[in-house]
Amino acid sequence: DARVTQTPRDKVTEMGQEVTMRCQPILGHNTVFWYRQTMMQGLELLAYFRNRAPLDDSGMPKDRFSAEMPDATLATLKIQPSEPRDSAVYFCASGLGTSGSYEQFFGPGTRLTVL
Amino acid sequence: GDSVTQMEGPVTLSEEAFLTINCTYTATGYPSLFWYVQYPGEGLQLLLKATKADDKGSNKGFEATYRKETTSFHLEKGSVQVSDSAVYFCALSAGGGADGLTFGKGTHLIIQP
Repeated sequence: DARVTQTPRDKVTEMGQEVTMRCQPILGHNTVFWYRQTMMQGLELLAYFRNRAPLDDSGMPKDRFSAEMPDATLATLKIQPSEPRDSAVYFCASGLGTSGSYEQFFGPGTRLTVL
Repeated sequence: GDSVTQMEGPVTLSEEAFLTINCTYTATGYPSLFWYVQYPGEGLQLLLKATKADDKGSNKGFEATYRKETTSFHLEKGSVQVSDSAVYFCALSAGGGADGLTFGKGTHLIIQP
């Protein structure tokens, strides 16, 4: 049963520390997304990649967030330095992008708490 | 920009009741529409989708019809079960190369036995 995996599942850190979240998309999927979920803003798109190339990162705070795909089996989201307002659940999703109507498969999320 | 509006709840129903969760959207062009469901502690799962006007998506007894004239995609189920308790998200994909989903705030559904 193919699934998107994310690590860590939970992360508690102090303000100013660097945080790295990892995602393994489903094998064969060519499109990877990062979303953030908060009580106030709901689910927001941060960035996404197709065939490892960034297509849209307009939802990401550029000064502290960075997203990369070192290879087809790994996507990373890094926050440096972290701030309390970054506390949220971060979801990775992957899909086989051929048109706008394809299903996105979500991982279980990384719950980040910045103290 | 694109947006999705849905009732936030919580919505509390008795088992076997009829369910409607309203969803309306604002978008340029011809978006694809989705309903995703999130169970506690898990990621989102696709429930159903529709890609053009008058399409009906259906799955597990849930249905939603893409209504372009009213820009709506309301979720319905004839008889809910306790296991349907979850958070339901309406979402759109703008298409035209913009693949990211725009989500509503989510509706927390609670089904009581």
